[in-house]
Amino acid sequence: GAGVSQSPRYKVAKRGQDVALRCDPISGHVSLFWYQQALGQGPEFLTYFQNEAQLDKSGLPSDRFFAERPEGSVSTLKIQRTQQEDSAVYLCASSLEREEYFGPGTRLTVT
Amino acid sequence: GENVEQHPSTLSVQEGDSAVIKCTYSDSASNYFPWYKQELGKGPQLIIDIRSNVGEKKDQRIAVTLNKTAKHFSLHITETQPEDSAVYFCAASPLYTGGFKTIFGAGTRLFVKA
Repeated sequence: GAGVSQSPRYKVAKRGQDVALRCDPISGHVSLFWYQQALGQGPEFLTYFQNEAQLDKSGLPSDRFFAERPEGSVSTLKIQRTQQEDSAVYLCASSLEREEYFGPGTRLTVT
Repeated sequence: GENVEQHPSTLSVQEGDSAVIKCTYSDSASNYFPWYKQELGKGPQLIIDIRSNVGEKKDQRIAVTLNKTAKHFSLHITETQPEDSAVYFCAASPLYTGGFKTIFGAGTRLFVKA
């Protein structure tokens, strides 16, 4: 069956631009997570949705980061006024119970 | 805050040998411990997990052990093959009111030499 998909796979943004990253979770998965993975590091938790409710956004690094999941399915992570330190791979995962299934990630490079 | 430490950061073994990766966690509320394999350019893939009411779990060449008292858990891969070469992440997941979150270790890069 279809796994978690993310788009775009690669994004290059000039410093100061806004970007939007999309995640399509596995159909029927209630929970959705966003992670940030810096080069050579493990994924770091950003935010968590249960259906359309954002239950935890404690990992978002600043108020430039915003995530939404308005209909409890597709989610978008938006980063405003991108900075060089935002360069990373952004991973999305979905789950029905505890097991999380990851998408391939979006590699964001801010120049 | 919550923290997961993982050792070693790099591990090189000969094909057929065993590989062991060890992790410790800090949040005593953690009750679910997944292990992920990540290949270049791909997202992490769940390979095995263990829950806090179990001390050991095995799936073919992979086994995980958990010591809740010491807050230690480890991954054992036996009869390693070149295709096992990847980055492996341990993680600890505490359950809290409203849901759960997963805290990852920094990863172990495993090289299996043919």
